[in-house]
Amino acid sequence: AQSVTQLGSHVSVSEGALVLLRCNYSSSVPPYLFWYVQYPNQGLQLLLKYTSAATLVKGINGFEAEFKKSETSFHLTKPSAHMSDAAEYFCAVSTTGGGNKLTFGTGTQLKVEL
Amino acid sequence: DAGVTQSPTHLIKTRGQHVTLRCSPISGHKSVSWYQQVLGQGPQFIFQYYEKEERGRGNFPDRFSARQFPNYSSELNVNALLLGDSALYLCASRSFSQETQYFGPGTRLLVL
Repeated sequence: AQSVTQLGSHVSVSEGALVLLRCNYSSSVPPYLFWYVQYPNQGLQLLLKYTSAATLVKGINGFEAEFKKSETSFHLTKPSAHMSDAAEYFCAVSTTGGGNKLTFGTGTQLKVEL
Repeated sequence: DAGVTQSPTHLIKTRGQHVTLRCSPISGHKSVSWYQQVLGQGPQFIFQYYEKEERGRGNFPDRFSARQFPNYSSELNVNALLLGDSALYLCASRSFSQETQYFGPGTRLLVL
């Protein structure tokens, strides 16, 4: 079985500040990990993915995430927040043995303030 | 290239009715998955189809069914609608050789 825990359902940062969104996973086999972003009334857009290559993964819009097996974490960061980053962010895990179904966390709503 | 498309974008139904949602995958993608996203929660896996065969099913009642057509498009059917079926229904497609699923904009279903 696989699961994802996202700590903090709401995160607020100032424009220009560091963004850190936390994700911890549980998986009995090596996982694939994803971060998706969802803007209001839209579907999910892929930000980045970890698929057992480099542990530091760079994505779109300046986001990156680091896979830490010892901590079972895949936290999302961005050095400098922009107003356009305000959205809901979902961490997800899948495994090949699981048929590649995605198991999502409950999401983190990011608010960016002036 | 066009992304995943879904229709309709919005739908209002009453309890007990039936609904059909449609999805067209990215060209070349043969795998389609359906997810339900209730307001304030993460998406929950409903079905996965590949080459017209069901390859995975989530923890949903038998009122939910789906199928995939020869052109790899897919339909999700929900019978005997309940208020709790109100949600955003997301379709995702992927190339079977890759891990990444690409999502459509979703169909927002409201059951009154």
